[in-house]
Amino acid sequence: GENVEQHPSTLSVQEGDSAVIKCTYSDSASNYFPWYKQELGKRPQLIIDIRSNVGEKKDQRIAVTLNKTAKHFSLHITETQPEDSAVYFCAATNTGNQFYFGTGTSLTVIP
Amino acid sequence: DAEITQSPRHKITETGRQVTLACHQTWNHNNMFWYRQDLGHGLRLIHYSYGVQDTNKGEVSDGYSVSRSNTEDLPLTLESAASSQTSVYFCASSPLGSNEKLFFGSGTQLSVL
Repeated sequence: GENVEQHPSTLSVQEGDSAVIKCTYSDSASNYFPWYKQELGKRPQLIIDIRSNVGEKKDQRIAVTLNKTAKHFSLHITETQPEDSAVYFCAATNTGNQFYFGTGTSLTVIP
Repeated sequence: DAEITQSPRHKITETGRQVTLACHQTWNHNNMFWYRQDLGHGLRLIHYSYGVQDTNKGEVSDGYSVSRSNTEDLPLTLESAASSQTSVYFCASSPLGSNEKLFFGSGTQLSVL
């Protein structure tokens, strides 16, 4: 099955700086890569996703890049704010119905 | 509004007891999933269902079972609870088809003493 690895496990940045979280996957058939944000005590919620036919996608301060050849994708958050503090999960799917998640990155934005 | 709800939010039980966690969605989604979340492991798939009467094992299915008698519900049963099953459990659903996002419930914190 698919194996998704995520780094780093914890990340601290100063407010206003950028944050980058990286994930690798093993199954070259994977074709959809969502990112979920989970605030403390809350449910994971989708923040951005990318499909295998696209190399980059942006939504305001967040962006995701995908390198199919190297089988890795990354989440970029610019101009970080305290409300960005949360756990972020990457995921990959090759069947369209079963998702494989990374182990999560705890992001702390220091005011 | 359509929603996915889990109950209870918190549960404390004893080793060896049978426990059932409820998951109910009103989106009419075909696909439903149960995950457990543990520090250092992220979200791991326990069981999933692609429709009524369909159930499948995920990567950590030992000690758990599910049944799907209708579209809306996928209850998760721990046959004989163990301390290793102390975790936060999330139910999720998605529409039929490829590359559709998951909608998560609010989670159940289960403690097995």
